[in-house]
Amino acid sequence: GQNIDQPTEMTATEGAIVQINCTYQTSGFNGLFWYQQHAGEAPTFLSYNVLDGLEEKGRFSSFLSRSKGYSYLLLKELQMKDSASYLCAVLNDYKLSFGAGTTVTVRA
Amino acid sequence: DAGVTQSPTHLIKTRGQHVTLRCSPISGHKSVSWYQQVLGQGPQFIFQYYEKEERGRGNFPDRFSARQFPNYSSELNVNALLLGDSALYLCASSLTAGGVTDTQYFGPGTRLTVL
Repeated sequence: GQNIDQPTEMTATEGAIVQINCTYQTSGFNGLFWYQQHAGEAPTFLSYNVLDGLEEKGRFSSFLSRSKGYSYLLLKELQMKDSASYLCAVLNDYKLSFGAGTTVTVRA
Repeated sequence: DAGVTQSPTHLIKTRGQHVTLRCSPISGHKSVSWYQQVLGQGPQFIFQYYEKEERGRGNFPDRFSARQFPNYSSELNVNALLLGDSALYLCASSLTAGGVTDTQYFGPGTRLTVL
């Protein structure tokens, strides 16, 4: 089976940094994705990791440790528009398995 | 370039009815996946089609079916609707199917409400 865990909610201040953790136990692994989803909208792709280490894309970075079944998404210089749900997803062959999502609220 | 498109945007049905949802992938993409997202949860995998063949199916009853057309667009059909089928139905397209670097891009979704 697939088990993907991430915190339900996080709150941070505008301009700050927030780290969203994701742990997974899956029957297979072809990569880990992070998506951002604003309320009522579709998920949009943020980042992808297949090898251990840190991937940086502007204000967003994602880290993977395959041996620990662990990833995190780091959001720097938070902006109000970053208030959204962040979904961790593991790719196993053709299928994406998602966590329940972490709702991040950015306060002024 | 146009992204993934889905129709309709919203749909209201009653229990027992059937529904057809449509998806057009990004131009050049040959794979379409369908997901169901219930409020407060992450998307759940329903189907993937690649080159008009079903590549995989999630843990959904036989009331759910899908197909992919020669132009790579896809339909998701749900028969005998139940209240629990109320959800956001997402279509995602990717260049191929399941490759390690094959990112799935999501459409805006169809919000289905079953009364």
